[in-house]
Amino acid sequence: AQSVTQLDSQVPVFEEAPVELRCNYSSSVSVYLFWYVQYPNQGLQLLLKYLSGSTLVKGINGFEAEFNKSQTSFHLRKPSVHISDTAEYFCAVSPNSGGYNKLIFGAGTRLAVHP
Amino acid sequence: DADVTQTPRNRITKTGKRIMLECSQTKGHDRMYWYRQDPGLGLRLIYYSFDVKDINKGEISDGYSVSRQAQAKFSLSLESAIPNQTALYFCATSDSGTGSNNQPQHFGDGTRLSIL
Repeated sequence: AQSVTQLDSQVPVFEEAPVELRCNYSSSVSVYLFWYVQYPNQGLQLLLKYLSGSTLVKGINGFEAEFNKSQTSFHLRKPSVHISDTAEYFCAVSPNSGGYNKLIFGAGTRLAVHP
Repeated sequence: DADVTQTPRNRITKTGKRIMLECSQTKGHDRMYWYRQDPGLGLRLIYYSFDVKDINKGEISDGYSVSRQAQAKFSLSLESAIPNQTALYFCATSDSGTGSNNQPQHFGDGTRLSIL
């Protein structure tokens, strides 16, 4: 079985400051890792995903994430945030074998960017 | 037009009523999913379907049923709604091609359901 822990439920930050949203997972099998973003009154959109290879993954809107196998972490970072980045962010894992891409979500981190 | 369309977007109803939430997609994906989102709990899987003839329970299927009327349509029903089913409901789709476990899921904009 897999589980995902997002260590911060809310992260307030000022515009143009850097931000890190933390995600840890547990799994008895190898997994794929995803970050999704949910803007107000919208569904989830894929930000980035880690499948294999380079542990640093770049996504849309200037976000990147680093997979750390020994720490079982997949933290999301952005060097300089904008007001428009205010949203809820979800980390998710999917076992890389089996019949379907079952996604296990974390509880979410609400990022609030202040001017 | 949205690739994954959910109707209605908002619904308020009373305890005991039967409710159907509908989802249609134009992405041509075989796989479709229903989730519910509750504050502080993230998204939890209710049902998923690989194709029209393949429907499976997720982690919280009690009190819900689904119907896959066509490849593009997947509806969720609450046979007798209760207040703790008040939540935001999402439909999602994904491709079933090679490496299907790493295919991202594509979400609709959600249905906000309130049961009084």
